[in-house]
Amino acid sequence: DTAVSQTPKYLVTQMGNDKSIKCEQNLGHDTMYWYKQDSKKFLKIMFSYNNKELIINETVPNRFSPKSPDKAHLNLHINSLELGDSAVYFCASSQFRTGEGEQYFGPGTRLTVT
Amino acid sequence: KQEVTQIPAALSVPEGENLVLNCSFTDSAIYNLQWFRQDPGKGLTSLLLIQSSQREQTSGRLNASLDKSSGRSTLYIAASQPGDSATYLCAVRPTWGDYKLSFGAGTTVTVRA
Repeated sequence: DTAVSQTPKYLVTQMGNDKSIKCEQNLGHDTMYWYKQDSKKFLKIMFSYNNKELIINETVPNRFSPKSPDKAHLNLHINSLELGDSAVYFCASSQFRTGEGEQYFGPGTRLTVT
Repeated sequence: KQEVTQIPAALSVPEGENLVLNCSFTDSAIYNLQWFRQDPGKGLTSLLLIQSSQREQTSGRLNASLDKSSGRSTLYIAASQPGDSATYLCAVRPTWGDYKLSFGAGTTVTVRA
């Protein structure tokens, strides 16, 4: 059983395009996150939603817009893609709003912008 | 600003040897610390979560210690196996209610058969 799933796994696109990455968790968690892992392997949080409400919005370009239709899904839409957006994007979830619980990560989406 | 450092960046050991992975953080006021494993092209798998009030956590061959006052955590893997080859990441949560994990860059481990 997949706990946190993301689609697609790989995404290759050209500069200027708009793309979306989908994330779903079947753990019954209230809080979901998007992280970006750059070429140096550092993971940085981008957004966090708790029960469909945005609770973290780090300094990310407003070309990135998260959407949470329900607490089991958190999608990431990216407009006007740039070369620097190339990275691996991870979705994660945790059980408690305060973040006491462990975070469970999806397999990642490798985005390549050409 | 919390900074998390993992040294060494890479480690290669023969099978059967014990592994010692280090994680240090600059702000000792943490809420908890989590160790993850990342396999190439895969997501992160949570290994151990240590609350700030705990000094260690154990799961099978894995043992993680936490010394908040010195800003350090150590992950021990006993009797390493080739299947333990992966990148190990530590992440700290600053305070209660702060959802943001600060990650280290990881230690890439290779266990030689």
